[in-house]
Amino acid sequence: DQQVKQNSPSLSVQEGRISILNCDYTNSMFDYFLWYKKYPAEGPTFLISISSIKDKNEDGRFTVFLNKSAKHLSLHIVPSQPGDSAVYFCAASARTGANNLFFGTGTRLTVIP
Amino acid sequence: DAGITQSPRHKVTETGTPVTLRCHQTENHRYMYWYRQDPGHGLRLIHYSYGVKDTDKGEVSDGYSVSRSKTEDFLLTLESATSSQTSVYFCAISPGPLEQYFGPGTRLTVT
Repeated sequence: DQQVKQNSPSLSVQEGRISILNCDYTNSMFDYFLWYKKYPAEGPTFLISISSIKDKNEDGRFTVFLNKSAKHLSLHIVPSQPGDSAVYFCAASARTGANNLFFGTGTRLTVIP
Repeated sequence: DAGITQSPRHKVTETGTPVTLRCHQTENHRYMYWYRQDPGHGLRLIHYSYGVKDTDKGEVSDGYSVSRSKTEDFLLTLESATSSQTSVYFCAISPGPLEQYFGPGTRLTVT
């Protein structure tokens, strides 16, 4: 059973506009959430994370929002650039033991110049 | 970038043959992980290690074994490869309960 879900397989956005990628989770024990970006034929690259004690974390053009009551997080990219075109994975962890990550199925973002 | 390499990067093998994939790190991180990526499933954990000779099963461990005899190396073995194990395999490392850093991946095809 998928504990982390990304219900939008793809998203297209015009360059300069905002990209919003969404993620839902079911396990209330998750307390740390991460976003990874993946280009073809490369490994996932860590982008940004958020702890459950926060509801927002910002790093440059990237902001992650966490709504614990809804078990929902989102990644905002502003402004979107063509180089942002990639597959984005949401991941969650309970930070116990070896910190195993549970991944969503990914959303392919295409930024149109 | 974290110092992680995977070998081989591509491999084609026949059903029933044993296959070993290698992950090598230069970061001296304690934790190492093996994932597989398949369409519609994202990344799923196969096995992980929390120290030399300390390993445990992940979500999809059937048909796979691992070994870690040195801090820097984590081996994934398919004892008898099957077509369902055709996938892209990623190794990841982590110093602790925070971000994991991924290698470039190994594309394995079992014919």
